[in-house]
Amino acid sequence: EDQVTQSPEALRLQEGESSSLNCSYTVSGLRGLFWYRQDPGKGPEFLFTLYSAGEEKEKERLKATLTKKESFLHITAPKPEDSATYLCAVQDSKAAGNKLTFGGGTRVLVKP
Amino acid sequence: DTAVSQTPKYLVTQMGNDKSIKCEQNLGHDTMYWYKQDSKKFLKIMFSYNNKELIINETVPNRFSPKSPDKAHLNLHINSLELGDSAVYFCASSQAGHRGEKLFFGSGTQLSVL
Repeated sequence: EDQVTQSPEALRLQEGESSSLNCSYTVSGLRGLFWYRQDPGKGPEFLFTLYSAGEEKEKERLKATLTKKESFLHITAPKPEDSATYLCAVQDSKAAGNKLTFGGGTRVLVKP
Repeated sequence: DTAVSQTPKYLVTQMGNDKSIKCEQNLGHDTMYWYKQDSKKFLKIMFSYNNKELIINETVPNRFSPKSPDKAHLNLHINSLELGDSAVYFCASSQAGHRGEKLFFGSGTQLSVL
């Protein structure tokens, strides 16, 4: 069974204080690893897809990296508007459909 | 123009009632999903339809019945609601494909069973 574990559960940062979020995963065959951002009262919003170990993707202050067992989401010089829950999910190439298996998320709070 | 829209946003009801949540996507996607997010914020797949055909049916009580009248709509009907059904339900859609297709999510329906 696919498993996704995210750490830490919560992260408090000062504005400008860079940090990293971890996503460890177990999957039969990785079709893709996804990062989403979720704001309170809203649905998850897509950030990145990573397909193979060694791949990196960047968007503004966010950078996602992937190894064979984990992914990191690096937040560089965060701003208060980066406060959200960040969700990691995997798609298993051996599973039916394109279902995503999610981790529990990391709640990030960036204080000015 | 909202890509994946679901109604209602909030649903408060009594135990034992039957309720429905509606979802529509205007992205032209082939596949639609229902996810449940519990109080600990874990998102879990419930169902998936591809072109009106059920392709994923996780271990969900049979009080939950999805219905897809066409590939742009996926509704969720829940019979005999229980306290444990209280959660946020998200509809999502994606293009069918072999290479990690991303899902687009609606804004959720917060169901409270009293």
